[in-house]
Amino acid sequence: ILNVEQSPQSLHVQEGDSTNFTCSFPSSNFYALHWYRWETAKSPEALFVMTLNGDEKKKGRISATLNTKEGYSYLYIKGSQPEDSATYLCAPKSGFQKLVFGTGTRLLVSP
Amino acid sequence: ETGVTQSPTHLIKTRGQQVTLRCSSQSGHNTVSWYQQALGQGPQFIFQYYREEENGRGNFPPRFSGLQFPNYSSELNVNALELDDSALYLCASSVSGGGSYNSPLHFGNGTRLTVT
Repeated sequence: ILNVEQSPQSLHVQEGDSTNFTCSFPSSNFYALHWYRWETAKSPEALFVMTLNGDEKKKGRISATLNTKEGYSYLYIKGSQPEDSATYLCAPKSGFQKLVFGTGTRLLVSP
Repeated sequence: ETGVTQSPTHLIKTRGQQVTLRCSSQSGHNTVSWYQQALGQGPQFIFQYYREEENGRGNFPPRFSGLQFPNYSSELNVNALELDDSALYLCASSVSGGGSYNSPLHFGNGTRLTVT
């Protein structure tokens, strides 16, 4: 069973701040890494699916990097806005195992 | 494009009872996964169905069972409910096969189950 750790557990920033979160996972048998955003009262929404070491993905003000050799991924939000407030979940996939979700980072952006 | 829909949205059951949760996949998706999210945890994988057969299961007892129908919709059944089964149950559909090995999951809004 994969051990997935996300840090910090929660984060409170002001509008306009840039922020980043970490997802750590075992590097052996790595297959893919998913990031999801989960807003309150909505369903989780896929942000990125990353597979290659050194991969970088970007979607608007949100970007992510992946290091499969050391087993971590960073998610960056540039110029946070109140609508970015959500829980951000990462989920690595190893070999033939299914996605294993971390407990998430809860972001609150104050105006 | 029709998204993933789950029913019911909320449910209250008594310990020992049985429950059935339903999920309609997003149009064009052939794979359904079910997750349980207990308070303070990330979604925990229950099982996945592809072509009407279970093709992956997490660490859940046999009283958790499922079905996938020819139209790719799915059911999650839980027998002999326990208090610890109280959680949010999420259904997610995706595309498998044909090279779509890393298709992202598309989630429904979930069913909140309370067992008293």
